[in-house]
Amino acid sequence: EADIYQTPRYLVIGTGKKITLECSQTMGHDKMYWYQQDPGMELHLIHYSYGVNSTEKGDLSSESTVSRIRTEHFPLTLESARPSHTSQYLCASSDPRDIETQYFGPGTRLLVL
Amino acid sequence: AQSVAQPEDQVNVAEGNPLTVKCTYSVSGNPYLFWYVQYPNRGLQFLLKYITGDNLVKGSYGFEAEFNKSQTSFHLKKPSALVSDSALYFCAVRRTGFQKLVFGTGTRLLVSP
Repeated sequence: EADIYQTPRYLVIGTGKKITLECSQTMGHDKMYWYQQDPGMELHLIHYSYGVNSTEKGDLSSESTVSRIRTEHFPLTLESARPSHTSQYLCASSDPRDIETQYFGPGTRLLVL
Repeated sequence: AQSVAQPEDQVNVAEGNPLTVKCTYSVSGNPYLFWYVQYPNRGLQFLLKYITGDNLVKGSYGFEAEFNKSQTSFHLKKPSALVSDSALYFCAVRRTGFQKLVFGTGTRLLVSP
């Protein structure tokens, strides 16, 4: 399996709280991605990054924000969590030398009460 | 616009029998096609990909996929299913000119003993 990590794995939090989902990879990949996935459903790209100081919004509009200060780290932040943010968040990275094969972390399952 | 379709929400097969999970694609230009598997409460794991060359691609865990340009299909196959193959399977296509993948809606595979 690829070396990409996400913490926490599970998070239950109240409405209005600020949260940061961590994602890190040790493969030196330039490209990183955040997907949102409801249980057993399709993946929706919400953010991606081509490298340090590069961030772009994905296909699905999200109230979350991301930053990419270091190659290996791509955290996602929700300034004020709401029940509608309840979902699973998957982080991935890819190596352009490997024709964009994306490697996924284990995911963070978020429940906002 | 590039897209993939997985026409079956669920596929049921008995252990030891061959399995097929269907995927059709729509792209402009040459497609880069991928299969991923997701086990419960886990991230996605890369299974195999088609870039160019042989139409039959072999991947992890005994899976293979056949690229058929005339039918625009990329079906996932395995000669003999295992109960442990039960999972959610996603087909994906890389957008031409974009560094992102588009995922299908997923197919749940259930292998019965």
